[in-house]
Formats: sequence, structure tokens, C-alpha cells
Amino acid sequence: NAGVTQTPKFQVLKTGQSMTLQCAQDMNHNSMYWYRQDPGMGLRLIYYSASEGTTDKGEVPNGYNVSRLNKREFSLRLESAAPSQTSVYFCASFLEGFKVETQYFGPGTRLLVL
Amino acid sequence: QQPVQSPQAVILREGEDAVINCSSSKALYSVHWYRQKHGEAPVFLMILLKGGEQKGHDKISASFNEKKQQSSLYLTASQLSYSGTYFCGTDNSGAGSYQLTFGKGTKLSVIP
Repeated sequence: NAGVTQTPKFQVLKTGQSMTLQCAQDMNHNSMYWYRQDPGMGLRLIYYSASEGTTDKGEVPNGYNVSRLNKREFSLRLESAAPSQTSVYFCASFLEGFKVETQYFGPGTRLLVL
Repeated sequence: QQPVQSPQAVILREGEDAVINCSSSKALYSVHWYRQKHGEAPVFLMILLKGGEQKGHDKISASFNEKKQQSSLYLTASQLSYSGTYFCGTDNSGAGSYQLTFGKGTKLSVIP
């Protein structure tokens, strides 16, 4: 049981390049989320998926796209990276009903856009 | 709108107690509390639901005042392992989709 996994752990991009951040969970959770965290700031929701086949915008969706490929996987794509997208990206999943300790974050992807 | 957390930072000696507050300008349907250590992912501590139900960590307690749109996290008999940044996330939609808006965090340092 690996929980929530994210790849890659680190990435450096040049302005205008594209990339996809991968996230997978093996806990059979319905809801999955992408957040970004900037220094000294809290987490900001980019996109979320309440269930397989559905996605919705969060607080800061501009410049990003997502795909909920199946129940396990939720990917985040940057089509044309900008320096303002330099951040730490966290994927999270949790099960509706909120039993104790059923809300998990992945280890994060640290992205630097030059 | 981002919830406001207070204090921004606090230093405690082991064994002391602390209270961290989270205030929202909008109606609250649920409040989620997390702790994050430097360079690590946030760890879920507790969720407080409208109506008084709460689920989470056994050694940490919290309150949720719906009328005042506030929540407080109570850390008692602090241990060195409690050090980290505490975030509250608020659900203001009530739609069940848990679109959380997070505060900027409260940095807690516990010293021997």
C-alpha cells in the first residue's frame, strides 16, 4: 500500500516547455486534488476530481489542464510553462465520509521554471 | 476568500499548551486542520463538520463555532514532534466537493 505517489519529484523547465505531473493512489479513493504551494503560503487548489470521469476548476486553474484517467490516476499538465508556475505541487486524495486518517497527500513535485 | 489564522508563529516549551485560531469571512461547512513539517507533505489532523461532528487525531482537539465562523485547534502538553506549520482549510461551498481554501499557516516551534 503505497498511498499517494507523485512523479517526478523534481523538475526544471524552460519557459514555454510542457510537462505532465503524474499522481496515483492505491486506496480506492473517489476524490483527488491538485494543489500548489508557494513559499510562505498555504495550499491553493488548482483542480479537483470528485469521481472518475469528472474534473472541476479550483481557485487557480489558469495555465493548467487535468485528466482523471481512471479511479487511481489524476494527472496535471502544464502546456506552456511560465516562471509564475514555479512551485511545489501536491496531489491529494480522500474518501468521502472522512474516517480517521483517510485523507492523504503525496510527497510533492518541486518545479522550477526558468 | 482565504481564512485568517492566528497567531502567525508561536514558540512553546515542551509541555506547554497552544491554541491556533482560524477565522473565515464566509459561512463554514467544514474545517480541516493539517500539520506540515519543513520539506514534507501536509498531514491530515482533523476535520470538523457543521453540526458538531469531528473526526481525527486522538491527541489533538478542536472546536468549531459556526456562528462566529471560527475554528480553534488545541495542542496540549506539547511535544517536540508537534513542531511544524499548521494550516486550516475551510469549505465554504457546502456542496460536498470539499473545495478547500487554506490559511497561510501558523508556525509552531516546540523547544526543550
